[in-house]
Amino acid sequence: AQSVTQLDSQVPVFEEAPVELRCNYSSSVSVYLFWYVQYPNQGLQLLLKYLSGSTLVKGINGFEAEFNKSQTSFHLRKPSVHISDTAEYFCAVRNYGGSQGNLIFGKGTKLSVKP
Amino acid sequence: DAGVIQSPRHEVTEMGQEVTLRCKPISGHNSLFWYRQTMMRGLELLIYFNNNVPIDDSGMPEDRFSAKMPNASFSTLKIQPSEPRDSAVYFCASSIGQIQETQYFGPGTRLLVL
Repeated sequence: AQSVTQLDSQVPVFEEAPVELRCNYSSSVSVYLFWYVQYPNQGLQLLLKYLSGSTLVKGINGFEAEFNKSQTSFHLRKPSVHISDTAEYFCAVRNYGGSQGNLIFGKGTKLSVKP
Repeated sequence: DAGVIQSPRHEVTEMGQEVTLRCKPISGHNSLFWYRQTMMRGLELLIYFNNNVPIDDSGMPEDRFSAKMPNASFSTLKIQPSEPRDSAVYFCASSIGQIQETQYFGPGTRLLVL
């Protein structure tokens, strides 16, 4: 069965510092990988996704993530964060052969950017 | 371009009452999903529809929960009778229908059952 582990429940960081939010997954087959962001009192919004091809994926708002198959990881990075990046970030995985519904979410990481 | 629309945004009700949550997906999307988000369990898929047909309802917690999609532009999630443990944020999402496609989420309905 698939699972997603987000290793940090909370990440505090100062403005303009780099940040990495970690995500590991387990699956016996090839996967699609996603990062979503949830701002306070809003729904989830897609940041980026990995389907195939280049393992470095660039998304919106300056975020990028790298797929590492050997380490079954899909960590999210941003070189310089802004106050407006304060939000909760969710990693999600779906098997190639999975149905539409089999999108498994991690528990989320709350990013708090301080001035 | 309107996104996924959910109503109501907030609902406070008493235990035992019926609750109906509503969702209008993005026009042209043929898959619709209902999720529940709680602090303890995170984001869980309750049910999803493809072309208005329920495909997987294995996430529906119990018979008190039911969902319908009478047409391509409307879906409801009903809880009858409601219980305090149903308190959560309920999200509706829609997508075009291929498994690699993005799911677009609505703003959610925050439900509090007293």
